[in-house]
Amino acid sequence: DAGVTQSPTHLIKTRGQQVTLRCSPKSGHDTVSWYQQALGQGPQFIFQYYEEEERQRGNFPDRFSGHQFPNYSSELNVNALLLGDSALYLCASSLGQGTFNSPLHFGNGTRLTVT
Amino acid sequence: LAKTTQPISMDSYEGQEVNITCSHNNIATNDYITWYQQFPSQGPRFIIQGYKTKVTNEVASLFIPADRKSSTLSLPRVSLSDTAVYYCLVGDIDQAGTALIFGKGTTLSVSS
Repeated sequence: DAGVTQSPTHLIKTRGQQVTLRCSPKSGHDTVSWYQQALGQGPQFIFQYYEEEERQRGNFPDRFSGHQFPNYSSELNVNALLLGDSALYLCASSLGQGTFNSPLHFGNGTRLTVT
Repeated sequence: LAKTTQPISMDSYEGQEVNITCSHNNIATNDYITWYQQFPSQGPRFIIQGYKTKVTNEVASLFIPADRKSSTLSLPRVSLSDTAVYYCLVGDIDQAGTALIFGKGTTLSVSS
């Protein structure tokens, strides 16, 4: 039973470029959330997708956008990259839109470096 | 969501019991307490969740006093592999789509 898988594992981009990160949820899960984790900080919630729609959003600018496909996989897109976007991007899946007592299953993330 | 406060770091030796306390003074009636563990370059992993008194699983115990304004994660006989960051979170289990709000967590360093 595959857990949450993310690709790529590492990525280097230049300021101003655009990037797309991909996530496949754990088998049987239908909700995907994205988190950004800067070095030495806890993960920060970006947004959550359920039934192919963005359901919740954290305090991130519109440069961060996403998509969920019919097979529940998801993409995170970041436009006009800034140096400050360098971070570990984590995808987490859950069943249903999730309640607090539905543990999230995290992938191992994509390490994005912006130069 | 109730805010939590944890120690930034803790040190321990192999074989010792480690207790990490989390303060959540503004916890609400429907809020549960959840702990996650994160190893370097990995995503957080659910450890344990509870509402009151004591919860135990194969990995840890969670102690919650009657006023629920704090909680203590207890790791019995830690090993080097327990070196990680531990996050305490509080949230309403009846509210759908609750996003997890992580703080900086507690970095536990276990030495031999």
